[in-house]
Amino acid sequence: EDQVTQSPEALRLQEGESSSLNCSYTVSGLRGLFWYRQDPGKGPEFLFTLYSAGEEKEKERLKATLTKKESFLHITAPKPEDSATYLCAVQAEAGNMLTFGGGTRLMVKP
Amino acid sequence: NAGVMQNPRHLVRRRGQEARLRCSPMKGHSHVYWYRQLPEEGLKFMVYLQKENIIDESGMPKERFSAEFPKEGPSILRIQQVVRGDSAAYFCASSLAGFTDTQYFGPGTRLTVL
Repeated sequence: EDQVTQSPEALRLQEGESSSLNCSYTVSGLRGLFWYRQDPGKGPEFLFTLYSAGEEKEKERLKATLTKKESFLHITAPKPEDSATYLCAVQAEAGNMLTFGGGTRLMVKP
Repeated sequence: NAGVMQNPRHLVRRRGQEARLRCSPMKGHSHVYWYRQLPEEGLKFMVYLQKENIIDESGMPKERFSAEFPKEGPSILRIQQVVRGDSAAYFCASSLAGFTDTQYFGPGTRLTVL
């Protein structure tokens, strides 16, 4: 069974304080690993897809990396508007669905 | 609005009633997925549909839940005889080219069962 574990569950940062969110996964053949952002009361917003170990993608202050067992979402000099829950999901080669982790709730204080 | 649309955004039902949740995929997308987010839990896959076909319903509860995606109109997730445990946020996602493509999510329907 595919599993995704995200840590920490919650993270408080001061504005400008860089950090990383972790996503550990086990999957029977990885088709893709996805990062989404979810604001309260809204649906997940797509951020990145990573397909193979060593791949990296960047968008503004966010950078996602992938190894064979985990992915990191690095946040550089975060701003209060980066506050949200960040979700990691995997899709197996043999499956149609996304398997989600529990998310990391990020709070950035000015 | 070119995004995934869901309605209603909020739905209140009494135990034993039926709930119908609607999802219109992004323009040009013909693949729809339904996920459920229970309070304090992560998103869980329910069902994957293409126009007029259910492709994968491995995450659907065996009883009371059904889904369809007709040739014309939105996808419908139907819950019969709702119980308190059905209270959750239900999200629809759509993709352009099937399950290998990125899934884009709608704003969700929050179902409350009294």
